[in-house]
Amino acid sequence: GAVVSQHPSWVICKSGTSVKIECRSLDFQATTMFWYRQFPKQSLMLMATSNEGSKATYEQGVEKDKFLINHASLTLSTLTVTSAHPEDSSFYICSANQAESSAQYFGPGTRLTVT
Amino acid sequence: GQNIDQPTEMTATEGAIVQINCTYQTSGFNGLFWYQQHAGEAPTFLSYNVLDGLEEKGRFSSFLSRSKGYSYLLLKELQMKDSASYLCAVLDSNYQLIWGAGTKLIIKP
Repeated sequence: GAVVSQHPSWVICKSGTSVKIECRSLDFQATTMFWYRQFPKQSLMLMATSNEGSKATYEQGVEKDKFLINHASLTLSTLTVTSAHPEDSSFYICSANQAESSAQYFGPGTRLTVT
Repeated sequence: GQNIDQPTEMTATEGAIVQINCTYQTSGFNGLFWYQQHAGEAPTFLSYNVLDGLEEKGRFSSFLSRSKGYSYLLLKELQMKDSASYLCAVLDSNYQLIWGAGTKLIIKP
């Protein structure tokens, strides 16, 4: 149980374009979904927390107009990187939990390369 | 501020035992998690402790002392596939997960 999927697993896009990443909880309803970014050899960095049907809460320094998060249902959240630039190239990972005190289960991650 | 400390890197030998420590200072405590992350992959859940004591799960065990703000992850009978980063994370009073920087474990034959 507690399986989270992410799509796509990797994407290459041109500078200035937008990329959408989907995160789904496959066998449970997620009260909250989280979006992380991880640069090579660095620790996870939380970008935003989202609850179904409400606006995402962004961490300090994360531009909400650049990283659009839509949490449409209890099993689906999407992250759209708008007007991507090479510095946005990173490993984007989503996670979900069933309750506030339960573990976060991670999707496999999406490797974004902006050329 | 909130802080989680764990060693940056450890080396151990295949078949041996290794203990990865984690100390924390957070605003409140609602549990401590250990995750394993192989290079280039997302983290996977290993253990959750909310009460003091030792939780054993196969070759992996996790210990918690809330009064000392301390936890460790114990890995027995090390295998080469255990080479990974091990992340300690604490759920604070707002149910926000505070992450440590991770301990890179290198297993040598």
